[in-house]
Amino acid sequence: NAGVMQNPRHLVRRRGQEARLRCSPMKGHSHVYWYRQLPEEGLKFMVYLQKENIIDESGMPKERFSAEFPKEGPSILRIQQVVRGDSAAYFCASSPPGQPQHFGDGTRLSIL
Amino acid sequence: AQKITQTQPGMFVQEKEAVTLDCTYDTSDPSYGLFWYKQPSSGEMIFLIYQGSYDQQNATEGRYSLNFQKARKSANLVISASQLGDSAMYFCAMREGRPRGKLIFGQGTELSVKP
Repeated sequence: NAGVMQNPRHLVRRRGQEARLRCSPMKGHSHVYWYRQLPEEGLKFMVYLQKENIIDESGMPKERFSAEFPKEGPSILRIQQVVRGDSAAYFCASSPPGQPQHFGDGTRLSIL
Repeated sequence: AQKITQTQPGMFVQEKEAVTLDCTYDTSDPSYGLFWYKQPSSGEMIFLIYQGSYDQQNATEGRYSLNFQKARKSANLVISASQLGDSAMYFCAMREGRPRGKLIFGQGTELSVKP
C-alpha cells in the first residue's frame, strides 16, 4: 500500500512566482489535510478537504493561498506571488473519516 | 492560550532505558483525540499512537505507550527500551471540535538517544 505521496520533494521559486504542491492520498482515504511547518516549529493546520469540498480552511492565509481536491487527481495547494515568508515545509496528510492522519514526506519550498 | 504544550525542548536518554515525553492540553470539548508523531532528521512525519478522550485504557503500540491522565489534561508518551533510531523530534497533537479534521500540534521535543 503506497503511502501519502507528495511532489515535488523540494521546490525553489523566485519571489512573485507561483508554487503548486501536489498530494495524492493513501488509497481509500477520502480526507486530505495540509499543514505548514516553519523552521524550528511544530506543524500549523492550513486546510481540510474532501473530494470537491473544502471542509475547514480556518488556517489558510486570506490571500494568495488556495487548495483544491478534485474528483479526479491529486489535491493541490497553490501559492500565488510567493514571498520569502512562504519558505517552509508543507505537509499533506490523509485519513479515512475520523481515523488518524498519515502524512506524506512533505514539500520543502524555498523562495529566492 | 496554548492548546498543546510540550515543556521539554530537548531530552537525552541512555540506550535501552525508558523515557517519558510530556504533553499537556487544553480543551473544553468532551470529545477529543490525542496523537503522537515522530519526525526524524529526514523530515517525514510518522504516526505513533492515538488516544481517544473516552478510551478507558491507555493506548499502547509496541514500545510506545500513552500515559493518559484526563483530570490533569496530560498525555505523556512513554518509549520503553530506547533505541538509537528513536532519536528524533516528537510532536504531540490534539483533534477537537467539529469538523473533526484539524490537528493542533505542540512545539515538539527533540529526543537524543545516547549509546
